[in-house]
Amino acid sequence: NAGVMQNPRHLVRRRGQEARLRCSPMKGHSHVYWYRQLPEEGLKFMVYLQKENIIDESGMPKERFSAEFPKEGPSILRIQQVVRGDSAAYFCASRGGSTDTQYFGPGTRLTVL
Amino acid sequence: SQQGEEDPQALSIQEGENATMNCSYKTSINNLQWYRQNSGRGLVHLILIRSNEREKHSGRLRVTLDTSKKSSSLLITASRAADTASYFCATVRGQAGTALIFGKGTTLSVSS
Repeated sequence: NAGVMQNPRHLVRRRGQEARLRCSPMKGHSHVYWYRQLPEEGLKFMVYLQKENIIDESGMPKERFSAEFPKEGPSILRIQQVVRGDSAAYFCASRGGSTDTQYFGPGTRLTVL
Repeated sequence: SQQGEEDPQALSIQEGENATMNCSYKTSINNLQWYRQNSGRGLVHLILIRSNEREKHSGRLRVTLDTSKKSSSLLITASRAADTASYFCATVRGQAGTALIFGKGTTLSVSS
């Protein structure tokens, strides 16, 4: 049973470009969470999605950031017009319906030049 | 806002010694979870303790929870070099399944 998959693992973008981060949850998991980790910091919650629905986006910046989890395919975190401050590691976690445990992917490290 | 605060921020010990990390939090919780993160990698779930539990064991790990003091501790016994990592506590408030709120972590270094 494959774990949570994220791609790309490393992403370099220039200021103003768009970044698309993908997350495939563990098989059978329908709950997906996105977190951001700045250097030397803990993870900060961004958004919680369940198939085709955004459940909680209270941690996501109001502008430039969006997330989706379509019926088919991976969850996507999109950052438009990236700025240097968006440089961070972005982690996705998934959860099955009968458990409280979240399983994390390896992360995407975004560098904005 | 930060919910959990780990203490100490950094801990250096020798192989074979025990390592204790503490976590304090501010509001009532549904459960508390501990994760390990090796440098530059993703998080690995270690253990979950519910608000009505006081202690749990998993291999060389022992976690305690004191809801009256809003604190938890993670004990790693007989540490190994491979235990070198950052350890984070994360809390779930309110309804189970909602977002994890992480502390800043304790960086553990185990030297052989």
